[in-house]
Amino acid sequence: RKEVEQDPGPFNVPEGATVAFNCTYSNSASQSFFWYRQDCRKEPKLLMSVYSSGNEDGRFTAQLNRASQYISLLIRDSKLSDSATYLCVVSLLGGFKTIFGAGTRLFVKA
Amino acid sequence: DTEVTQTPKHLVMGMTNKKSLKCEQHMGHRAMYWYKQKAKKPPELMFVYSYEKLSINESVPSRFSPECPNSSLLNLHLHALQPEDSALYLCASSPWTSGSAGETQYFGPGTRLLVL
Repeated sequence: RKEVEQDPGPFNVPEGATVAFNCTYSNSASQSFFWYRQDCRKEPKLLMSVYSSGNEDGRFTAQLNRASQYISLLIRDSKLSDSATYLCVVSLLGGFKTIFGAGTRLFVKA
Repeated sequence: DTEVTQTPKHLVMGMTNKKSLKCEQHMGHRAMYWYKQKAKKPPELMFVYSYEKLSINESVPSRFSPECPNSSLLNLHLHALQPEDSALYLCASSPWTSGSAGETQYFGPGTRLLVL
């Protein structure tokens, strides 16, 4: 079993749609959780950290369920510019060891 | 300045060559990382340095040799690579202010390496 698993995708959605990505992790010692975004042939960039209480940044909402070892990302009112690969990231060992999920590709179409 | 720079952007090398990848950050970060990313795959952690000391080596073959000359610089020395080592090599840094997890990593644009 992979340490971090994501929806395989790709997701093809129209502009304005709401899309949800799911991620599960296997190591209960995981300490921190993030969503990164990676555009084609670019480096990953932090989208948002994920907290147990849930957190929201504009059109993006992230949730963490430690009991179920599950992380989610909700994107509302999708824009063309949201097209990218979304990477679920988990860190452990005091934050040093960072494990990326395989990523979920999102295509937003006009 | 929230930038991590990497040089070169592209590198082509033969299997007998020796080359080095360079990474630099001036954000005062004390943790620096090397990742390898193959096409359509996520980044895979290779090495982690904290306070200029190697903290994690993810069982990387010895043909990859990291070096951290100071807190701003991270090198990756390459020798006798194989064609399957062709990939995007990403450098990242994070503050490591509290010694605990939860810090954002800032990535450089990467070096695209092709081994012939």
